[in-house]
Amino acid sequence: EIVLTQSPGTLSLSPGERATLSCRASRGLSARYLAWYQHKPGQAPKLLISAASNRATGIPDRFSGSGYGTDFTLTISRLETEDFAVYYCQQYSFTPYTFGQGTKLEIK
Amino acid sequence: QVQLRESGPGLVKPSETLSLTCTVSVDSISRYYWSWIRQSPGRGLEWIGYIFFNGSPNYNPSLESRVTISLDTSKKQFSLNLNSLTAADTAVYYCASGFYSDYFDYWGQGTLVTVST
Repeated sequence: EIVLTQSPGTLSLSPGERATLSCRASRGLSARYLAWYQHKPGQAPKLLISAASNRATGIPDRFSGSGYGTDFTLTISRLETEDFAVYYCQQYSFTPYTFGQGTKLEIK
Repeated sequence: QVQLRESGPGLVKPSETLSLTCTVSVDSISRYYWSWIRQSPGRGLEWIGYIFFNGSPNYNPSLESRVTISLDTSKKQFSLNLNSLTAADTAVYYCASGFYSDYFDYWGQGTLVTVST
């Protein structure tokens, strides 16, 4: 199965700053089949990005995704207070679908 | 927009079978993959499996021998059965949808299941 490794584990930033989250796959993903999710305590996880760079409906354009092969990045251009959460990547190139262990984005 | 809600017992005994149901609010249940995913501190997020709207399932090989996912289109519900439970199955269980896709565009809030005597 494909292992996804996210870094850093925790990212401490201030509102207005830029966040860069990384997701590395243990082997190349076909057709850039990688998604990103935001998860806040007590809430349902929310889809942010699919196919590595396609924003989901209603997701602000400060969220962007990039990458191909084994290295993918989620960038939040200017952090707002509601962006502080845990972020997960997920590959859907191969079954079993797998998730990264998450990056916690916390307020500095 | 799809809304999903999980229901089922919060506490199950070891060796027993867990049965969870996900009720879906959507115009049509067709064209969707309906998935179960769980999250535990030790294992993170783990995809359990999905059932396609035509009834075809696909399971995580790590759980395939113990899991069944079924679909009731008339009730707009799909269900998870996981047997031979151990403490390692303690987790928050989520149901999720994927519109003709293998990523998860909507999720339920999740339900905590504890396996314990």
